[in-house]
Formats: sequence, C-alpha cells, structure tokens
Amino acid sequence: ELKVEQNPLFLSMQEGKNYTIYCNYSTTSDRLYWYRQDPGKSLESLFVLLSNGAVKQEGRLMASLDTKARLSTLHITAAVHDLSATYFCAVTPSTSGSRLTFGEGTQLTVNP
Amino acid sequence: NAGVTQTPKFQVLKTGQSMTLQCAQDMNHEYMSWYRQDPGMGLRLIHYSVGAGITDQGEVPNGYNVSRSTTEDFPLRLLSAAPSQTSVYFCASSRNRVRNQPQHFGDGTRLSIL
Repeated sequence: ELKVEQNPLFLSMQEGKNYTIYCNYSTTSDRLYWYRQDPGKSLESLFVLLSNGAVKQEGRLMASLDTKARLSTLHITAAVHDLSATYFCAVTPSTSGSRLTFGEGTQLTVNP
Repeated sequence: NAGVTQTPKFQVLKTGQSMTLQCAQDMNHEYMSWYRQDPGMGLRLIHYSVGAGITDQGEVPNGYNVSRSTTEDFPLRLLSAAPSQTSVYFCASSRNRVRNQPQHFGDGTRLSIL
C-alpha cells in the first residue's frame, strides 16, 4: 500500500523567511504533484514532477523530486502572507494509471 | 470554460437517507474520480473511472456507489447516509495515463449527516 507522508503538518512562519516542506512516499512512482488549497476552496495544481532531479519554480515556490530517495520538496523563498494555504503532495504509483494518493497536507501560515 | 462542476455545494441529510452527488466535466477527460476530505487526513480516493462503463474502487469505497454512463458525468451515490460520511467531497478529472497533466478538481460538496 502506498503511503505518502508530509512534514511538517503545520508551519507558521514570518514574512521574508525561507522554509521547506517535505513529501516522502513509499513506493516507486513516475509522477508527483503539488497542490494548493485555500480555506473552503478547491485544489489548485502547482507543479507536476515527472523525473528524477526535476525542478520546477513558480514565483516564490520551487519544487524538486528525488525518485531514488522517494522524496519531493517544496521550498518557499521569502514568504509572503498570500502564500498562506494548505499544500498537498500527491503521488501516482508507476503501476496505477492515474490514481492519486495524497499526503495529509501542510497547513502554512505566513505572519506579517 | 466550466471545467469540473459539482452539485450541490452544500447538503444536510438525516441518517439513513440516500442522495446523489453530481459531477460533470466538459474537458473530454477519460479519468474521473471522487475523493473525500476529512480534517488531518488529506484526500482519500472513494471510486474512480477510466472511461464510460468502467468504474473501480478506491481506498474508502464502502457506503458509496458510482456509475459512468457518459464521458462527461460521474455521479456518486450515498445509499444510506451515516454520520461517518460527513465530509467534503471532491470530484476530479484528467486525461488517463497522461503523465504531465494534473487532475482538475471541482469546488466540492460539503455534506453533513445528522
């Protein structure tokens, strides 16, 4: 059974600071996704990572994938209040077509 | 573009009642899925479909039925609602087995079972 674990689950940080969210998964995967969810809202796709060493950046967020370590990171640079949200990683095992298994989510609060 | 449309947005049921959550997508996606989201547990897959006439169980299928008669629609049926089914339900769709495309999510249905 695929397990996807994120840490930390809760993150409170000050504006201007940097931090990293970690996503570990337990089985071989050929793709990993990061999503953002604002309170009471739907999920918005942030990044799709398809290969070992993949790195994607959008604004203050940068995601990377290490398939050998079964680890993805979401790095936040110089956080701003607008980044406050819950961030999910989700994994599709190599043998599972399009099925997604989600991590528990990281609730990020950026304080002024 | 409408994307993935879920109805209703909110619903309150009594224990034992049945209801259908509707999901429609206009992107001609083969793959559709239903998730439930509970606090501290991320999203868990209930049922999914890779095309019209094909459905399969996900991680937490008990108490739910689905059907896929058309590419566009993927309704989720609660047969006899229980308080444990109080949750937020999300429908999602994507191209099937196309690695570089994420799943697109609807706005969710917030369901309370009394």
